[in-house]
Amino acid sequence: DQQVKQNSPSLSVQEGRISILNCDYTNSMFDYFLWYKKYPAEGPTFLISISSIKDKNEDGRFTVFLNKSAKHLSLHIVPSQPGDSAVYFCAGAGSYQLTFGKGTKLSVIP
Amino acid sequence: EPEVTQTPSHQVTQMGQEVILRCVPISNHLYFYWYRQILGQKVEFLVSFYNNEISEKSEIFDDQFSVERPDGSNFTLKIRSTKLEDSAMYFCASSEGRQPNQPQHFGDGTRLSIL
Repeated sequence: DQQVKQNSPSLSVQEGRISILNCDYTNSMFDYFLWYKKYPAEGPTFLISISSIKDKNEDGRFTVFLNKSAKHLSLHIVPSQPGDSAVYFCAGAGSYQLTFGKGTKLSVIP
Repeated sequence: EPEVTQTPSHQVTQMGQEVILRCVPISNHLYFYWYRQILGQKVEFLVSFYNNEISEKSEIFDDQFSVERPDGSNFTLKIRSTKLEDSAMYFCASSEGRQPNQPQHFGDGTRLSIL
C-alpha cells in the first residue's frame, strides 16, 4: 500500500536556504493534505495543511503547493533554520484517518 | 498550549499478556484516534472514536484490540493477548472536529516492547 509516497528519505540544506520536501499520492479521494514534523522521542506535530481544491497555502516560513494533475505536493521552508531539523511527514486525509508517507529527514546545517 | 498526554512512555510486556495504553486527549476535542509505527515503517492508522463509539477502523484493528473512554478525560487502547509483532510505537491523537477540516494533534507515544 503506497497511497502516499515520500521518495527522499533524507535532505540536507544550508541554514538560510530553501528546503523543499516532496510528496506524491495515488488516492484521488483525499480531501486535505497535511504536513507534520517529528523530533526524536516526540509525536508528530502539525505544521500546515492544504485543501484539495487549493493549489497553495502559506503560513510564515512554510508554504505547501499542491499539483492535483500530477498528484504531487511539496513543502517549502524559507529560510531554513537549524531548529527545522526533523523528520517531515506528508499525510492525506479523506475520512477519519490520516494516511502517512514514510517521512523525509531534514538536516539544516548551520 | 494544550497537549495530548500518553502513559506510560515505555511498556514492556510478555507475549500473550494484556496491555492497556492510556491517553488524555486535549480537553475540548471530540474525536480520538490511535496510530502505530513499527520501527522503520510508516505511521499507520488503527482506529477513530467519536461519541463513545468507533467511527472507523483499519484492518490492523482486529478482535485483539479494543478502545474505551472510561471517563470524561481518558482514552485507552487495550491489546488483549499481545504478539511479538505488536511491538511498536503507539500514538494517540485528538481533534476538535472531524477530519479533514481539523488537524489531529498527537501525543509523544508509548513504546510497546513485547518479549
